[in-house]
Amino acid sequence: NAGVTQTPKFQVLKTGQSMTLQCAQDMNHNSMYWYRQDPGMGLRLIYYSASEGTTDKGEVPNGYNVSRLNKREFSLRLESAAPSQTSVYFCASSPQTGVHNEQFFGPGTRLTVL
Amino acid sequence: GESVGLHLPTLSVQEGDNSIINCAYSNSASDYFIWYKQESGKGPQFIIDIRSNMDKRQGQRVTVLLNKTVKHLSLQIAATQPGDSAVYFCAESDDKIIFGKGTRLHILP
Repeated sequence: NAGVTQTPKFQVLKTGQSMTLQCAQDMNHNSMYWYRQDPGMGLRLIYYSASEGTTDKGEVPNGYNVSRLNKREFSLRLESAAPSQTSVYFCASSPQTGVHNEQFFGPGTRLTVL
Repeated sequence: GESVGLHLPTLSVQEGDNSIINCAYSNSASDYFIWYKQESGKGPQFIIDIRSNMDKRQGQRVTVLLNKTVKHLSLQIAATQPGDSAVYFCAESDDKIIFGKGTRLHILP
C-alpha cells in the first residue's frame, strides 16, 4: 500500500495562476483532509471531506476549493494564486472523522507563489 | 477561541537521555489527544494517542501523560536516539483535530 500520495511535490506559480493539488489514498478511508503548514505555525485545516460526496470548510478555506472525486481522491484547487498561499500543503486521510481518529499524512506539496 | 500550544519551540537533549516534550491545551471538551512526529521534508507521522479517560499510556520508548486538571499533555521519549530528531506536534480532538505549533527536538552527540 502506498498510503497517501500527493502530486506534485513542488510547484512555483505566478500571482493569479491557477492549479490543482492532487491527493489519493489506498486505505479505503472515508475521510480526507487538506492542511497548510506555515513556518512557526501548526497545521491548519483548509477543507475536509467526512465521506464521499461531502466537503466542509475548515479553519482557513478562503481562496481554495476542493473536490472529492471519489472515495480515493480529494483535490485542492487554487483558482487565483496569491503570495499568501505560499506554503506546504498536506493531504491526510482517516477511517472517519470524529474522535479517536488517527490521520495518515501524505509527503506534502511545497508551493511557492511569486 | 480554543487553542493547542507548546511550552518550548526547541528542545536540545543529549543522545541517550530521556526527552520530555510538553503541551498545553485549553478546550476542556477535548477527549482525545495525539502526538505526531514530523521529520524534515516529510508529513506528520502518528506516534501515540490517549483518551481523556486515561492519564498515562505507553508505547515503544514513548509515554504520553495527560493531566486534565491543568490541561497538560506531555510526551516522554526514553533513551533518545539521533533518529528522534524531528518536530513533535500535540493535537487535541473533540470533533476535528487541532494541532499545536510544534517543538523541534535536537539531539546532541
